[in-house]
Amino acid sequence: NAGVTQTPKFQVLKTGQSMTLQCAQDMNHNSMYWYRQDPGMGLRLIYYSASEGTTDKGEVPNGYNVSRLNKREFSLRLESAAPSQTSVYFCAGGLGYGYTFGSGTRLTVV
Amino acid sequence: GENVEQHPSTLSVQEGDSAVIKCTYSDSASNYFPWYKQELGKRPQLIIDIRSNVGEKKDQRIAVTLNKTAKHFSLHITETQPEDSAVYFCAASSGDYKLSFGAGTTVTVRA
Repeated sequence: NAGVTQTPKFQVLKTGQSMTLQCAQDMNHNSMYWYRQDPGMGLRLIYYSASEGTTDKGEVPNGYNVSRLNKREFSLRLESAAPSQTSVYFCAGGLGYGYTFGSGTRLTVV
Repeated sequence: GENVEQHPSTLSVQEGDSAVIKCTYSDSASNYFPWYKQELGKRPQLIIDIRSNVGEKKDQRIAVTLNKTAKHFSLHITETQPEDSAVYFCAASSGDYKLSFGAGTTVTVRA
């Protein structure tokens, strides 16, 4: 029982490159989320999926897209990476009554 | 949407002393208030939570209080220990799906 698994753990991109962050959960959560964490700004919601087949924008969606492939998997895609997207990204599953976070992806865009 | 403010941003305490972190929220519909602890390089982990029908909740050395009228809630850590050093986040939710987080408090416990 791994909980919420994110890959990769670290990534360096050049400006303009694209990549997909993967997230999978084995906790049977309907809801999944992507947050970014920046110093002094806490955790900000990028996108969320309330259930399989649905996705909605959060607080900071610009520059990102998501796919809820099935109940287990929720991916985050950067189509054209920018230095402002340098951050630590966390995937989470669960309801507002308690999340389980993945271990995070540290992304650097140079 | 919900706006959660958290203070202070940093807190340094002597081992054995108490630490208090305060948060305010804006949405009167919010009814669930969790606290997360994040150690360096690790994921945030839930340490305690409180629902709007309760004014205070304790779990060993940590406690959370809620004042719904004033829209603020606080985390209290007593008898602090070095392993309490971490970043603490408060959050609020109306219970549908999303959590809105405060900016975090870096707590340092001095030996």
